[in-house]
Amino acid sequence: EADIYQTPRYLVIGTGKKITLECSQTMGHDKMYWYQQDPGMELHLIHYSYGVNSTEKGDLSSESTVSRIRTEHFPLTLESARPSHTSQYLCASSTHSNQPQHFGDGTRLSIL
Amino acid sequence: DAKTTQPNSMESNEEEPVHLPCNHSTISGTDYIHWYRQLPSQGPEYVIHGLTSNVNNRMASLAIAEDRKSSTLILHRATLRDAAVYYCILIFSQGGSEKLVFGKGTKLTVNP
Repeated sequence: EADIYQTPRYLVIGTGKKITLECSQTMGHDKMYWYQQDPGMELHLIHYSYGVNSTEKGDLSSESTVSRIRTEHFPLTLESARPSHTSQYLCASSTHSNQPQHFGDGTRLSIL
Repeated sequence: DAKTTQPNSMESNEEEPVHLPCNHSTISGTDYIHWYRQLPSQGPEYVIHGLTSNVNNRMASLAIAEDRKSSTLILHRATLRDAAVYYCILIFSQGGSEKLVFGKGTKLTVNP
């Protein structure tokens, strides 16, 4: 069973706040990913990382930023949250690009 | 960009086989075909993946067309727990950057 954890599961917060969504995995995977998913819609890749100190932007433009200081940790930050950031954010990890990705249960973010 | 096309929804009866199709007519030679499923309020779960040959595991079988322009996920005996949204995804590298392309997914309903 995959060990990848996201916190918080749910977050309701006001406009203008700084938010950090946490993602941690205990499998030693080099590759990590952040996806954004609106209700009933497909997943869109917004950030990924090949390993420590590596971060790349995905297909969907996002105002969020990520960092990868440790292998197991890949946090996503919004400096100033807006209602347009309301969505579900899913984190995943894998050993290699072509290997299965293990997903967390996601963070449902609502910006008022 | 290569992308996948899936039916929006399918319905099956419990204990019967289910064939979920996916078209990927612009697939390139190094693209892997992955299938994931997603239950409500959960992150996606890996089901199976392949490159050219048909693949079997404990969850499902993957049949890949000879020209690789389409594939079919086969659930041999559907159960109520198989009701989910099934995503067909291509994983490939293009121009040095990684791109992951999710289809819109097929919502599978399993009738008791």
